[in-house]
Amino acid sequence: GAVVSQHPSWVICKSGTSVKIECRSLDFQATTMFWYRQFPKQSLMLMATSNEGSKATYEQGVEKDKFLINHASLTLSTLTVTSAHPEDSSFYICSALSDSFDSYEQYFGPGTRLTVT
Amino acid sequence: RKEVEQDPGPFNVPEGATVAFNCTYSNSASQSFFWYRQDCRKEPKLLMSVYSSGNEDGRFTAQLNRASQYISLLIRDSKLSDSATYLCVVRGLSNFGNEKLTFGTGTRLTIIP
Repeated sequence: GAVVSQHPSWVICKSGTSVKIECRSLDFQATTMFWYRQFPKQSLMLMATSNEGSKATYEQGVEKDKFLINHASLTLSTLTVTSAHPEDSSFYICSALSDSFDSYEQYFGPGTRLTVT
Repeated sequence: RKEVEQDPGPFNVPEGATVAFNCTYSNSASQSFFWYRQDCRKEPKLLMSVYSSGNEDGRFTAQLNRASQYISLLIRDSKLSDSATYLCVVRGLSNFGNEKLTFGTGTRLTIIP
């Protein structure tokens, strides 16, 4: 299957700093990428949908000025958590949509575990 | 009411047993349905799609009842490697018209030797 990478796999940062997470589709082009967040013992929650070359669309309750998303190419989307606080500590997972003649599926990255101290 | 509801478990079953998971969804306009598997601290991985006619993949059988908005997964002859959290996932459209996957909270399964 298709491969999606995320970097970093884990990060610890101090409260008030910003953290950038990268999501790359390694062997296919993805017009659409998604960012999810998963708190312990909870389900994955969609934060935003990122379309290459246009602004991301954010789910209700997700602050677009706090979670900056850039999707500048067909293989890379970035999520920047600005002015991080301990309540932002979570597992952030991206996915990339493969939409070809024989496949229509979201492929997930391995996730980034963010801890804000 | 949650959009996708699952029994959180945990289910602890002996190796070789058959185990069944259930899931209900609230949005009747949902288009596609899936079961994903998520291991501890890992990303979810697609286990199988779920079709109205029911479908089987080896030891796994999935069923969909659109009228009842109910999805099930049956695992036969369970293996130790089946221990994981099983996520019921529904695909539809967001308020913006984008594709959107909605995940259940998952059912934790532990296979006991």
